[in-house]
Amino acid sequence: DAGVTQSPTHLIKTRGQQVTLRCSPKSGHDTVSWYQQALGQGPQFIFQYYEEEERQRGNFPDRFSGHQFPNYSSELNVNALLLGDSALYLCASSRDWTSGNTIYFGEGSWLTVV
Amino acid sequence: QKEVEQDPGPLSVPEGAIVSLNCTYSNSAFQYFMWYRQYSRKGPELLMYTYSSGNKEDGRFTAQVDKSSKYISLFIRDSQPSDSATYLCAMSNAGNMLTFGGGTRLMVKP
Repeated sequence: DAGVTQSPTHLIKTRGQQVTLRCSPKSGHDTVSWYQQALGQGPQFIFQYYEEEERQRGNFPDRFSGHQFPNYSSELNVNALLLGDSALYLCASSRDWTSGNTIYFGEGSWLTVV
Repeated sequence: QKEVEQDPGPLSVPEGAIVSLNCTYSNSAFQYFMWYRQYSRKGPELLMYTYSSGNKEDGRFTAQVDKSSKYISLFIRDSQPSDSATYLCAMSNAGNMLTFGGGTRLMVKP
């Protein structure tokens, strides 16, 4: 049973560029959330997708956008990259977006902005 | 002030010791409490999941939640060098949006 898978594993982008990160949820899960984890800090919630709609959003600017596909996979897009966007981007999946469901994380995508 | 506070450590213990990791929080609406283990440059791995107050045990791990004090703990018995990692507490009230502590780095020395 495949867990949460993310791609790419590592990438380097230049300030001002755009990046797209991809996530496939764990089998049987239909809800995908994205988190940003800066070095030495805990993950911070970006947003959550269920039934192809953004259900909840954390305190992140509109430069961060996402999408969920009919097969439940998801993309995170970040426009106009800033140096401060350098972080580990984590995808998490759960059975649905209501409370009480266990949440599993992927290995993350390391983004470096230079 | 952060919603979830966690001592960053590092916490260094000898192999076989009992480890106590703690988090405090300010949002009384939190109902679901989790502990994740994160090895260097890897994604968080779910260790323990608890609903509301009480204790939960799983092998060498025990999670405690005291909602009246807004305080949660994770105990690791017979700690092993392989337990060396960063431990993240996380909590939520609704909608599976997790709020994390900053993580405690644990080092278990042989």
